[in-house]
Amino acid sequence: KNQVEQSPQSLIILEGKNCTLQCNYTVSPFSNLRWYKQDTGRGPVSLTIMTFSENTKSNGRYTATLDADTKQSSLHITASQLSDSASYICVVSVPGGGSYIPTFGRGTSLIVHP
Amino acid sequence: DAGVIQSPRHEVTEMGQEVTLRCKPISGHDYLFWYRQTMMRGLELLIYFNNNVPIDDSGMPEDRFSAKMPNASFSTLKIQPSEPRDSAVYFCASTNRGLSSYNEQFFGPGTRLTVL
Repeated sequence: KNQVEQSPQSLIILEGKNCTLQCNYTVSPFSNLRWYKQDTGRGPVSLTIMTFSENTKSNGRYTATLDADTKQSSLHITASQLSDSASYICVVSVPGGGSYIPTFGRGTSLIVHP
Repeated sequence: DAGVIQSPRHEVTEMGQEVTLRCKPISGHDYLFWYRQTMMRGLELLIYFNNNVPIDDSGMPEDRFSAKMPNASFSTLKIQPSEPRDSAVYFCASTNRGLSSYNEQFFGPGTRLTVL
């Protein structure tokens, strides 16, 4: 059972437009939530991380929000660029084994057209 | 630092053959993770090590899969015998529990495995 659900599964937008990706999770106890960007043929790269006490975090044109009460997060991309075409993966981590064990969403595939 | 290094980048083999995937983590990182990624299931954690010791292998799909970490700079994931359903991209990632940004895992470029 996948405890991190992302929507939409795929999204196509025009260059310059904004978009918002959603992540709902049920894993607990919650430690932190991270958004990764995965370019085609590469490994995921971290964009943002938030703990339960944070409700927003920005990284350039990327802004992530977190509502720990409803267990929802979103990733907003402003003024999209062609290089934003990638898969965006939401990851929720719980403490375990002395580290933090991640549960991955299946990702949202974003295509930005010129 | 060169980042996490994986080899080979691509592997094509026939069903029943043994496959060995290799990973060199970032120097100084004491956690190493192996993942499998498919379109259907996304990223799945297979096994992870701490200080070269396997901590949790509950994600390993079956006995055909095995992983070792003989030292801090090298790990292998072996599939024997391989089956077509093992076709996927396999990622290795490493992290240092001492990082202030919690557990940012640094991923390698992946090995794309195709079993015919």
